[in-house]
Amino acid sequence: DVKVTQSSRYLVKRTGEKVFLECVQDMDHENMFWYRQDPGLGLRLIYFSYDVKMKEKGDIPEGYSVSREKKERFSLILESASTNQTSMYLCATWDRGDGELFFGEGSRLTVL
Amino acid sequence: EDQVTQSPEALRLQEGESSSLNCSYTVSGLRGLFWYRQDPGKGPEFLFTLYSAGEEKEKERLKATLTKKESFLHITAPKPEDSATYLCAVSGGANSKLTFGKGITLSVRP
Repeated sequence: DVKVTQSSRYLVKRTGEKVFLECVQDMDHENMFWYRQDPGLGLRLIYFSYDVKMKEKGDIPEGYSVSREKKERFSLILESASTNQTSMYLCATWDRGDGELFFGEGSRLTVL
Repeated sequence: EDQVTQSPEALRLQEGESSSLNCSYTVSGLRGLFWYRQDPGKGPEFLFTLYSAGEEKEKERLKATLTKKESFLHITAPKPEDSATYLCAVSGGANSKLTFGKGITLSVRP
């Protein structure tokens, strides 16, 4: 079974802190994604990557950056956390782009 | 721009009361339409992929169908354990990404 592991299930940070959310997959998938999920807004794509060191902006990239130095690891970075970034963050992987998207369990971030 | 609209936003059923969830979409060159189930506090779990109009797929009490404009997730004789949020998503054209709807929260009362 594909496993997508997100480093932290729950985080509490203060405004202005730098936040790292890490995601590791074990199936050698090329495509990796970061979404955020908010009530009433659904899943929104922040960034995605289709290869090592490659990244593409999604629908809401402002205030975020990403890093993909190795194929299995995709990190989401909040340079200076703000309260409106309080959300559930979901990492996902996709092999050929025409099949199943595999999600991690999610990281619930609260910014105070 | 790809768009996905799901309705209703929430649905409450009595155990055994069959119903359908709707997913309307607009996409340039459909590559796939996906249904996911999400339990509270967890990541979405894959249910089905449909690739072309007329296609149907079944899994236990769930059946997904696809037309050129919409997809339905039919739930036959639901049980309380079917309570969850059901997400629909599409992939189209050259995009290597999915566009999701906002989801439908299903509650099944015993």
